[in-house]
Amino acid sequence: AQSVTQLDSHVSVSEGTPVLLRCNYSSSYSPSLFWYVQHPNKGLQLLLKYTSAATLVKGINGFEAEFKKSETSFHLTKPSAHMSDAAEYFCVVSDREGYQKVTFGTGTKLQVIP
Amino acid sequence: NAGVTQTPKFQVLKTGQSMTLQCAQDMNHNSMYWYRQDPGMGLRLIYYSASEGTTDKGEVPNGYNVSRLNKREFSLRLESAAPSQTSVYFCASIRTGGPQQPQHFGDGTRLSIL
Repeated sequence: AQSVTQLDSHVSVSEGTPVLLRCNYSSSYSPSLFWYVQHPNKGLQLLLKYTSAATLVKGINGFEAEFKKSETSFHLTKPSAHMSDAAEYFCVVSDREGYQKVTFGTGTKLQVIP
Repeated sequence: NAGVTQTPKFQVLKTGQSMTLQCAQDMNHNSMYWYRQDPGMGLRLIYYSASEGTTDKGEVPNGYNVSRLNKREFSLRLESAAPSQTSVYFCASIRTGGPQQPQHFGDGTRLSIL
C-alpha cells in the first residue's frame, strides 16, 4: 500500500522569500516520487522526480526536493519565490516494483504576495 | 510533438445524457490513465490501461466505462451523466518497462452536468 500526505493545503509567501511545500509518503516498495505543478485551468507539469539516484533532486524553475528515507519525506523548496510560482503543487508517489501504481497528494496551493 | 491530447476541452451536459471523452497520445506509451480532479481531493484514478487490450478499475470507477481503442487512444464514457460527475477530467500516459517515468498529462476536459 502507498499513500501521500501533503501537510499544508495552502501556503502563502512573500515574493523573494523561500518556499517550502511539505510532503510525506508511505510505500511498501522503493518508491519513485514526483512533484507536479498545475497553473489555473491548465494540466499538470512535471517539476522534478526522484527515482533512486541522488537524494537531492533539482527541477525546473529553481525548485528542488530532498528525498529523506528515514523521515519518509520529499519536501519541495525554492530559495526565492517569484510571482509566477503561484499555482497548485502535487506530490506523487509511484511504486517501482511492477505496474506503476500512482498515488497523488491532495495538493498545496501556493500564494505569492507581492 | 503534441503529447497527450484531450477532446473536448469544455462540455456542459444535462443529467442523464451520455458522452465520450477522447484521449490520444503520440509518444508510443504503453499505459494510459483517466483521472478526475475535484477541489481539495487531488487527482483520483477512474480507470487505467496497462497496455493495449487491457483495462482496470481505479479508485472511483462507478458511472464510467473506458475503451482502449488502440495503443494511442483511450476513451472515457459516461453512460448517464449525473451532477456528481461534474469535474475536471485528465488523461495521462506513461512509458513502462524501464526506469520509473513520470506521467504525461493532457490539458483536461472541464465537464459540467446540470
